[in-house]
Amino acid sequence: GNSVTQMEGPVTLSEEAFLTINCTYTATGYPSLFWYVQYPGEGLQLLLKATKADDKGSNKGFEATYRKETTSFHLEKGSVQVSDSAVYFCALSDGQGGSEKLVFGKGTKLTVNP
Amino acid sequence: DAGITQSPRHKVTETGTPVTLRCHQTENHRYMYWYRQDPGHGLRLIHYSYGVKDTDKGEVSDGYSVSRSKTEDFLLTLESATSSQTSVYFCAAKRSQTNYGYTFGSGTRLTVV
Repeated sequence: GNSVTQMEGPVTLSEEAFLTINCTYTATGYPSLFWYVQYPGEGLQLLLKATKADDKGSNKGFEATYRKETTSFHLEKGSVQVSDSAVYFCALSDGQGGSEKLVFGKGTKLTVNP
Repeated sequence: DAGITQSPRHKVTETGTPVTLRCHQTENHRYMYWYRQDPGHGLRLIHYSYGVKDTDKGEVSDGYSVSRSKTEDFLLTLESATSSQTSVYFCAAKRSQTNYGYTFGSGTRLTVV
């Protein structure tokens, strides 16, 4: 079945450092890809998405490019802030027709120190 | 997201007792989902619904049942709670198959003792 593998971390960075969180996927067909973020004590929020190959999703300084040839969707940010500390989940859409289910990676906890 | 409310937010229950978690949405989403979140596992789908009275199993459905008698409410029931069902449960919803965005509730932390 479809699956998502992401680096598990935890990842600890200093403020203004460059961030990369790797995500690769296995899927049949052409899934849509997502990054979700979970701040402490909260639910998940959509951070960015890409729906077809070579699409770049971006939001709040984060970006990720849908790479079909390498089946990857790595999350990057050029300069992280303390407020970016959270758990990040890579996900893909799974299913066709009526119900589209999200399949998640295990999550990567990011801590940014001042 | 204010459009999805989960209740209760926290619950402690004893092994063998039935438990029902409620997800209520005000956005007229057609599709609704129950996930559980556990360390080292990410989020795993328990059950989902693609309309009133239309539900199906996810990857970890054993020990759980769901009901959706109206669009706005999706109930998750643990018929006889076990310690392995201690987890954080999230409800999610989306409006249509062309809308790729899922909206998540704030979660219910369930502890089975």
